[in-house]
Amino acid sequence: DAKTTQPNSMESNEEEPVHLPCNHSTISGTDYIHWYRQLPSQGPEYVIHGLTSNVNNRMASLAIAEDRKSSTLILHRATLRDAAVYYCILKYGNKLVFGAGTILRVKS
Amino acid sequence: GAGVSQSPRYKVTKRGQDVALRCDPISGHVSLYWYRQALGQGPEFLTYFNYEAQQDKSGLPNDRFSAERPEGSISTLTIQRTEQRDSAMYRCASSLEGTGKGFDEKLFFGSGTQLSVL
Repeated sequence: DAKTTQPNSMESNEEEPVHLPCNHSTISGTDYIHWYRQLPSQGPEYVIHGLTSNVNNRMASLAIAEDRKSSTLILHRATLRDAAVYYCILKYGNKLVFGAGTILRVKS
Repeated sequence: GAGVSQSPRYKVTKRGQDVALRCDPISGHVSLYWYRQALGQGPEFLTYFNYEAQQDKSGLPNDRFSAERPEGSISTLTIQRTEQRDSAMYRCASSLEGTGKGFDEKLFFGSGTQLSVL
């Protein structure tokens, strides 16, 4: 099964952009790259997903490397409400397999 | 309902008792998932339903755990003869479509049931 590697934690200043990296060197050609986040005391929440092209939505942007072995979630202006655990996930069979994720801390 | 609903929100039980956790997915959602989450860790997959069919139960830890979704809507996760190691947050998620090639469906998670086994 394809695995992802993320830094354990990152810190950002409020109002500044945040780039959350993810490595997935064993990704297969049909695996979508998903990002979810989990705010304290809440369930995971969908952020964005993509296959090959860069993707944008109102929450974030997803930049996918040309070889698809890595991707970066971009929060354009971090706010205190973006402090959460961010999970980079690949499809495995019928399910999303979560890793430990990256704890994002946002400083005011 | 507007979102995935789980009940009870909290469940405290004594070791050896059976518990049933309920999940009411978003109306019309085909796929339903159960996850378990220990404190400080990511969610761990337990089982998956496509309508009423349990298509993947590879994550269920042992035969004390079972799940059903008899009418393709509400699901129940049952843990028999609970043990202290079963204590965790149990989360249900649903998605609109069944998985196809290149799994690209959004999952919507409920608030979870916090299970404590004393």
